[in-house]
Amino acid sequence: QVQLVQSGAEVKKPGASVKVSCKASGYTFTSYGISWVRQAPGQGLEWMGWISAYNGNTNYAQKLQGRVTMTTDTSTSTAYMELRSLRSDDTAVYYCARWVYSGSSSFDYWGQGTLVTVSS
Amino acid sequence: EIVLTQSPGTLSLSPGERATLSCRASQSVSSSYLAWYQQKPGQAPRLLIYGASSRATGIPDRFSGSGSGTDFTLTISRLEPEDFAVYYCQQYGSSQFTFGPGTKVDIK
Repeated sequence: QVQLVQSGAEVKKPGASVKVSCKASGYTFTSYGISWVRQAPGQGLEWMGWISAYNGNTNYAQKLQGRVTMTTDTSTSTAYMELRSLRSDDTAVYYCARWVYSGSSSFDYWGQGTLVTVSS
Repeated sequence: EIVLTQSPGTLSLSPGERATLSCRASQSVSSSYLAWYQQKPGQAPRLLIYGASSRATGIPDRFSGSGSGTDFTLTISRLEPEDFAVYYCQQYGSSQFTFGPGTKVDIK
């Protein structure tokens, strides 16, 4: 069965960086993309960007350009999202999701979420 | 960037009633690229509908999607206790995704 398992919760100070991992199993990793979505406490869903696991192409949300980098390691079927220069408003649950980019462009499987807390 | 607006913000209904949720886009969205998600507290979102009207795997047929252009609708024909949750629409266009702000369906 398809599973996306994310790394554990993080606490970071303002200005620091965080790197969240998302290990995929149960499907051919390079046949899908991975997208990252975050959700601040009590708020809605915010799309952060996507990466093609096939060729590493990326596309990031404009508001995060320059602070976010998404990568994959096809040898371990793992995706990574690094966010730099953290601010308090980056405190959120970060989700990875499998992106079905042929046809529907939807996110059919999601990780369990990783809470990132930014606090001095 | 395409902005999605969802209405109402909150829908208070009783089990067994019909729920109609609206998603409006600031410009035309390809029907192929409009999806709906359900999220319960403390859980990751779950894909309900993709391509505006196709149910995802394992989704009961009381959930249906419709619409085109700038106006889309998610309908839950008869609310079950497990359907009380927040629902988000999502679109993909120009290599970017956006989500609507969500509609909370709660128990009246």
